[in-house]
Amino acid sequence: QSVLTQPPSVSGAPGQRVTISCTGSSSNIGAGYDVHWYQQFPGTAPKLLIYANRYRPSGVPDRFSASKSGISASLVITGLQAEDEAEYYCQSHDSSLSGPKVFGTGTKVSVL
Amino acid sequence: QVQLVESGGGVVQPGMSLRLSCAASGFTFTIYSMQWVRQAPGKGLEWVALISDDGSNKLYADSVKGRITISRDTSKNTLYLQMNSLRAEDTAMYYCARDNTVTHALDLWGQGTMVIVSS
Repeated sequence: QSVLTQPPSVSGAPGQRVTISCTGSSSNIGAGYDVHWYQQFPGTAPKLLIYANRYRPSGVPDRFSASKSGISASLVITGLQAEDEAEYYCQSHDSSLSGPKVFGTGTKVSVL
Repeated sequence: QVQLVESGGGVVQPGMSLRLSCAASGFTFTIYSMQWVRQAPGKGLEWVALISDDGSNKLYADSVKGRITISRDTSKNTLYLQMNSLRAEDTAMYYCARDNTVTHALDLWGQGTMVIVSS
């Protein structure tokens, strides 16, 4: 019952730019809460990719960038590489009764 | 080495109980809130529970409220998830994760422990 909606899949050729959207509501992203992004490869644990809307942890390539506006956030991969093929999740805080932490529905990025 | 290592998963029958553990090492466990996140086979991530750094504040997802208890033992640097009255829909990989004190992003994850609820 995710309250953050992402496209199920996006794809692109190597070197292309892809964008993953994360749409919430006035009780989460729209309320000003930060959005974080995670990358998950099959069979492995998620890894923090972007925190606080736009910051990259040490070691994350700068081809990954993100932003937030209104009730939505976006993750952009510029110069797509084969090793970027993975599942990506956004996450934020939610003030509704369903729970304070919410994840997006997840987006599979495929490199053509 | 900074890491989280989960254990305690397995196959249980519906209605049974299970306790998951998450051993923390390489960092000051007592200053971090901790969370459990689960992922059903082929599905997305679902937040399960959170416990504050001192253990005084606990929050749960509606889907597990009343059946699951999160706790921590600072003397053992270990996080726990007590799961009772297990249902088939609790079948998932369970991850523990560290809540960054400033950003509240989940900046460290364990490898996960699998729970299968089946008769």
